[in-house]
Amino acid sequence: KQEVTQIPAALSVPEGENLVLNCSFTDSAIYNLQWFRQDPGKGLTSLLLIQSSQREQTSGRLNASLDKSSGRSTLYIAASQPGDSATYLCAANSLGGSQGNLIFGKGTKLSVKP
Amino acid sequence: DAGVTQSPTHLIKTRGQQVTLRCSPKSGHDTVSWYQQALGQGPQFIFQYYEEEERQRGNFPDRFSGHQFPNYSSELNVNALLLGDSALYLCASRRVGGDEQYFGPGTRLTVT
Repeated sequence: KQEVTQIPAALSVPEGENLVLNCSFTDSAIYNLQWFRQDPGKGLTSLLLIQSSQREQTSGRLNASLDKSSGRSTLYIAASQPGDSATYLCAANSLGGSQGNLIFGKGTKLSVKP
Repeated sequence: DAGVTQSPTHLIKTRGQQVTLRCSPKSGHDTVSWYQQALGQGPQFIFQYYEEEERQRGNFPDRFSGHQFPNYSSELNVNALLLGDSALYLCASRRVGGDEQYFGPGTRLTVT
């Protein structure tokens, strides 16, 4: 059974700092991994999707990496801004089931201080 | 291009009642999944619909049921509501063969 863990649960950094959010998963047989952002009380916004055959994906100041062998993914945020404050969730899409079944971590709540 | 839409935004129900939540997928998408997100937790998969049939189901009781219409929109029904059903209910859509899932804004259900 796939389990996804995100550490730390919360993170506070000063504006301008580069930071890394961590995501680990127990079953390396994943189809892809998706990172989301969630603002308080809102839905999820997709940030990056990494296929199992890829090592990383980049979008603007965001870079996500995937290491299936170690069961880890990281989300790197460069030059953080107060507007980046939100909860970041990673979700693994596992082989063997429907492609729609995402297994989520509990998220990392990021606060970027001006 | 409209994204995933959900209605209503908020809902307050009493224990034992029944509720119906609605979702319209993103344009061009035909697969809809429903998730339940309790406060402080990550979303949990409820079920997925494609071609008007339930294709996969998570670990949720039969009180949770759904439907998909020919226009790909979907409903989530919950019967005999419990206090523990209070959560944010999220709908996600994707196109067949596509990998990325797009989520709606959610429906906040409060059971008193």
